This record gives sequence, structure tokens and C-alpha cells, in this order.
Amino acid sequence: QSVLTQPPSASGTPGQRVTISCSGSTSNIGSNNVNWYQQLPGTAPKLLIYNNNRRPSGVPDRFSGSKSGTSASLAISGLQSEDEADYYCAAWDDSLSGQFGGGTKLTVL
Amino acid sequence: QVLLQESGPGLVRPSETLSLTCSVSGGSISSYYWSWIRQPPGKGLEWIGYLFYSGSSGSTNYNPSLKSRVTISIDTSKKQFSLNLSSVTAADTAMYYCARAQMAYTSGSLSWFFDYWGQGILVTVSS
Repeated sequence: QSVLTQPPSASGTPGQRVTISCSGSTSNIGSNNVNWYQQLPGTAPKLLIYNNNRRPSGVPDRFSGSKSGTSASLAISGLQSEDEADYYCAAWDDSLSGQFGGGTKLTVL
Repeated sequence: QVLLQESGPGLVRPSETLSLTCSVSGGSISSYYWSWIRQPPGKGLEWIGYLFYSGSSGSTNYNPSLKSRVTISIDTSKKQFSLNLSSVTAADTAMYYCARAQMAYTSGSLSWFFDYWGQGILVTVSS
């Protein structure tokens, strides 16, 4: 059972905007920054968003992140077929442990 | 470009110790949080722990659920860090990733993220 809660699945059609939520508590998302990772099938996770809304170099601006209180969201606009992947949120918990969400499988219809 | 590469046995017997090594190239080994993360087949990611090397000494922090069985160490001369997980069971079967983490306080909030990952190594616990 993950400390950070994500919907197990999400879907959208090409060109659409989709959002994935991540719900936590005051000891993790409420206190600390949120990151998002994209895991394409058969590959290692890749950093997509860090510090709630910052994109590493090379990540398209179609990907954006936000945080409010104890929840965070990842938004993908202009959905493309290559965005089909698993997405994980993560945050440090004040219990001195790193926490990942359970992951959301995004399907591009 | 920082590259990380895991190595070690792909099969470990129950009750034995899982030992993996991560080789780092293309960057400094100082001032980063060298981490291990695992992913059971078909499941999500689990943080195992990190070792922070300051340039003169290292400090560790482990997932409380694994703390009694985990040791992370570093060999700075070889630019490698290692994971030992003792008394393994089938539940420890997973893809194991090494990664470089950054941690810092920004505007009062702790920032913690993995910017570089290894490709992963599948470890199966079976007799």
C-alpha cells in the first residue's frame, strides 16, 4: 500500500490533455517537493518533473506539474502515442523515507 | 553525461545475501545521494536507501521496512557503490535500479529526486 495515492490507470486520445493525480499527506507532499517519473515499457524510469513544476532539459513543455496542499498533478497536453507509459509521483516523507506513488498506466487510445 | 551500470548475480538462493554493485562514470561521486530502488515484476517502485558521500565520509539512510537487512557502501577509488540485502525471500525478487539522487531544501521544502538511473538488473530469489 503506497503512501502516495495515484489512480491505477488513465487514458486519452491523441491531441487530448490528460491529468494524473497524486494524493499524499502533510508529512510528504504537504511539506516537500513532488517529482514525476515516466517509465516506458521495458526501460528504467526517467525524471519528468522535479520540484513540483520544473522540467529537466530535454523534457517537452507538453508535460507540466503542479502542487496544492497535500496533492499534486501531472498534466500532459497534446497527447502523443509515445506518451503511453507508467507514471510515478514521488516525494520525501518527514519520517525520513522516500515514497513513490503506486503508479498510473497511461493508455493512448 | 553520467552513466550508471548495475552488476551482480541474477539468481540468489532464499536466506542468502543479495549483493549488487553500481559503477558510476562521467561525473563526480562526491556530494550526491547514491541510491537503490527496486521494482517487483508488474508492480511499482520502492525506495531502498541511499548513501551520501561528502568527499571525506559517507552517511546512509534506509527504508524502515528494509533497514534491518540492508547495507549500502561505497568504494570511491573504483567509483562504485554497492547494495547488500540479507536473508532474502521470494518477495525480494525484483528489478533493482541504482540511481543518483539530489536532495536539498528549497524555499523551506525538501527537494529529492533521481536525475540519473542505471538500466536495472533483474534479481530472482529461488532455490
